[in-house]
Amino acid sequence: GENVEQHPSTLSVQEGDSAVIKCTYSDSASNYFPWYKQELGKRPQLIIDIRSNVGEKKDQRIAVTLNKTAKHFSLHITETQPEDSAVYFCAASEGPNFGNEKLTFGTGTRLTIIP
Amino acid sequence: DVKVTQSSRYLVKRTGEKVFLECVQDMDHENMFWYRQDPGLGLRLIYFSYDVKMKEKGDIPEGYSVSREKKERFSLILESASTNQTSMYLCASSPIRRASGNTIYFGEGSWLTVV
Repeated sequence: GENVEQHPSTLSVQEGDSAVIKCTYSDSASNYFPWYKQELGKRPQLIIDIRSNVGEKKDQRIAVTLNKTAKHFSLHITETQPEDSAVYFCAASEGPNFGNEKLTFGTGTRLTIIP
Repeated sequence: DVKVTQSSRYLVKRTGEKVFLECVQDMDHENMFWYRQDPGLGLRLIYFSYDVKMKEKGDIPEGYSVSREKKERFSLILESASTNQTSMYLCASSPIRRASGNTIYFGEGSWLTVV
């Protein structure tokens, strides 16, 4: 099955600087790569996703890049703010199967923004 | 707005007890999932279901079973709870994917402590 590795496990960044979280995946058939943000005591929520036919996607201060050849994708957060402090999870899907969406998650990155 | 509701936020059970974790979604989603979240291990898939009365094992099904008698409800069962099942349990749902990738929506989570 799919295996997703995520680095770093913890990341501290000065407010206003950029943060980058990286993930690699093992199954070349994976074609959907979402990122989830989980604030303390809350549910994970989707913040951005990318599909295999796109190399980069941006939404305001958040961007995701995908390198299918190398099987890695990254989350970039620019101009970080205190509310960006959370745990971030990357994930990869194993592809369509009877219309299912089964995600394999990375182990998470705890991002702390230092005021 | 999608709502995934987990009936119990906090539970304390004794070793050997049978435990039921209930999850209900109100968006007529075909797919439902149970994940377990542990520090440093991320979110690991226990079981998922893509239709009523259908179930598929995830990555860590041992010690768990599930039930999906109605489309909106997906139950996780611990037949005989053990201390190593102390964890946060997250239910999620998603529609059948019609393109490459569909968002999955999480519940608030159930914190289970087995003593």
